[in-house]
Amino acid sequence: DAGVIQSPRHEVTEMGQEVTLRCKPISGHNSLFWYRQTMMRGLELLIYFNNNVPIDDSGMPEDRFSAKMPNASFSTLKIQPSEPRDSAVYFCASSLQVGTDGNTIYFGEGSWLTVV
Amino acid sequence: GENVEQHPSTLSVQEGDSAVIKCTYSDSASNYFPWYKQELGKGPQLIIDIRSNVGEKKDQRIAVTLNKTAKHFSLHITETQPEDSAVYFCAASRGGTSYGKLTFGQGTILTVHP
Repeated sequence: DAGVIQSPRHEVTEMGQEVTLRCKPISGHNSLFWYRQTMMRGLELLIYFNNNVPIDDSGMPEDRFSAKMPNASFSTLKIQPSEPRDSAVYFCASSLQVGTDGNTIYFGEGSWLTVV
Repeated sequence: GENVEQHPSTLSVQEGDSAVIKCTYSDSASNYFPWYKQELGKGPQLIIDIRSNVGEKKDQRIAVTLNKTAKHFSLHITETQPEDSAVYFCAASRGGTSYGKLTFGQGTILTVHP
């Protein structure tokens, strides 16, 4: 199994530019999560999808952030316009939700974003 | 919302010793408690988890205990090896349809000296 695949692995961009992070979940998984990791705030959930539908986006910092899941094998997290405080590692994760209980959540390797 | 506190923030042990990391949580409705290991430059990897209907779970050298009354859970690693060196995170969620809405602890940097 290839695992959760994220791209780009590293991105350096200038303040004000649009950033798009991409994720391919593990085949067959029906839940997808976007997490952000910073030194100050640790690991925090931004949004999660179940069967391609956003279930909880309460962690999305502000309107500059948006996430989509057009199909079961692809999701994007977009930041427009980007700001230096958005610099972080963004993780995509996926899981197979079985019934009302969960299963192992598998994380990708992360996208390291630096906004200068 | 849920708040998870994790201690210690750093832990240094000699190879072969045991390591214990402790977490407390605030939401009494939480019932899913995973532990993740994160190596440098990589994503978190689940190493063990426990649900609220179980008090203890063991997998080879790793064990987790849960005390729902006191709202705390702990990770125990026995016979530590240098390759156990990493950052360890505890997490909690309500389970059910919210199982993936994990609240993470701050992390523990474990160093195992040969």
